[in-house]
Amino acid sequence: DAKTTQPPSMDCAEGRAANLPCNHSTISGNEYVYWYRQIHSQGPQYIIHGLKNNETNEMASLIITEDRKSSTLILPHATLRDTAVYYCIVRFDITSGSRLTFGEGTQLTVNP
Amino acid sequence: DTGVSQDPRHKITKRGQNVTFRCDPISEHNRLYWYRQTLGQGPEFLTYFQNEAQLEKSRLLSDRFSAERPKGSFSTLEIQRTEQGDSAMYLCASSQINYGYTFGSGTRLTVV
Repeated sequence: DAKTTQPPSMDCAEGRAANLPCNHSTISGNEYVYWYRQIHSQGPQYIIHGLKNNETNEMASLIITEDRKSSTLILPHATLRDTAVYYCIVRFDITSGSRLTFGEGTQLTVNP
Repeated sequence: DTGVSQDPRHKITKRGQNVTFRCDPISEHNRLYWYRQTLGQGPEFLTYFQNEAQLEKSRLLSDRFSAERPKGSFSTLEIQRTEQGDSAMYLCASSQINYGYTFGSGTRLTVV
């Protein structure tokens, strides 16, 4: 699975959009981009995933660059409950039973 | 069925003792994973089952560690002769083909 690079920490004001970047310059054509988050003392929680096109669900939006070498997770209206570590992971297709390889992620702190 | 359940949530044990953790996955999920997470790090893959078959093991899973999923439902992770370096959060996750992982809240092990 391709390696990802994320900033170690970010701050965001409550109610504003949080934009979390991820670099995955060695991603291959059939690798998906996944985002998970982990709130303190809980297990990681799936947020969203995508291959080439931008994706949106009730939690977030995922913007993938045309060359697929980077992506941005957008939380459109961050709340205090969004404070968590956010992990960007790339892996082969979702039917694979293979492991998720977590990096150190980005600690997002949403401030009142 | 509300999610992946792990028991116990916390375990304190003396060095050299054996411990066993249990994971109950989401009932219709045929894949089950164990991860370990130390402070400040992302989760690290330990092992993976599809139904009752253990299909992949990490090199992190030393011979003191054993995992089972006897009937393809719940799973147990046993650590024999615990060491202080085994202190960590042990996370279980399950998945069904075409869906993302669902993680449990983990078992926090402290070896004293």
